[in-house]
Amino acid sequence: ELKVEQNPLFLSMQEGKNYTIYCNYSTTSDRLYWYRQDPGKSLESLFVLLSNGAVKQEGRLMASLDTKARLSTLHITAAVHDLSATYFCAVRGTSGSRLTFGEGTQLTVNP
Amino acid sequence: NAGVTQTPKFQVLKTGQSMTLQCAQDMNHNSMYWYRQDPGMGLRLIYYSASEGTTDKGEVPNGYNVSRLNKREFSLRLESAAPSQTSVYFCASNSVSQETQYFGPGTRLLVL
Repeated sequence: ELKVEQNPLFLSMQEGKNYTIYCNYSTTSDRLYWYRQDPGKSLESLFVLLSNGAVKQEGRLMASLDTKARLSTLHITAAVHDLSATYFCAVRGTSGSRLTFGEGTQLTVNP
Repeated sequence: NAGVTQTPKFQVLKTGQSMTLQCAQDMNHNSMYWYRQDPGMGLRLIYYSASEGTTDKGEVPNGYNVSRLNKREFSLRLESAAPSQTSVYFCASNSVSQETQYFGPGTRLLVL
């Protein structure tokens, strides 16, 4: 059974600081997804990481994937208040298109 | 192009009542999914449909049934609602060529 764990689950940080969210998963996969969810809203796709060593960047967010370590990171650079949200990673198993989600990391960026 | 739409947005049920949550997508996607989201538990897959005419159980299917009515529509039915089914329900879809799943706005369900 595929398990996905994120840490930290809660993150409070100051504007201008850097931080990293970690996503570990338990079995082989080469597809990892990052989503953002604002309070009371739906999920918005941020990144799709398709292979080992993949790195993608959008603004102050950068995601990477290490399939050998079964680890993805979401790095936040010089955080701003607008980044406050819950971030989910999700992993596709080896059969079919089903995704298994992590518990989510609730990020709060304080002025 | 509306993407993924869900109805209703909110619903309050009494224990034992039944209801159907509707989902439709206009992106010509093959695969559709139903998730539930509970605090601290991320999203859990209830049922999915890899293509028109097929449905499969996900992680938490008990108490639910689904129908893939056609390529566009995928409904979720609660035959006899229980308080444990109080949750936010999301529908999602994707195609074979598109890697990411697109999510609907969600249905907030309260079972008293």
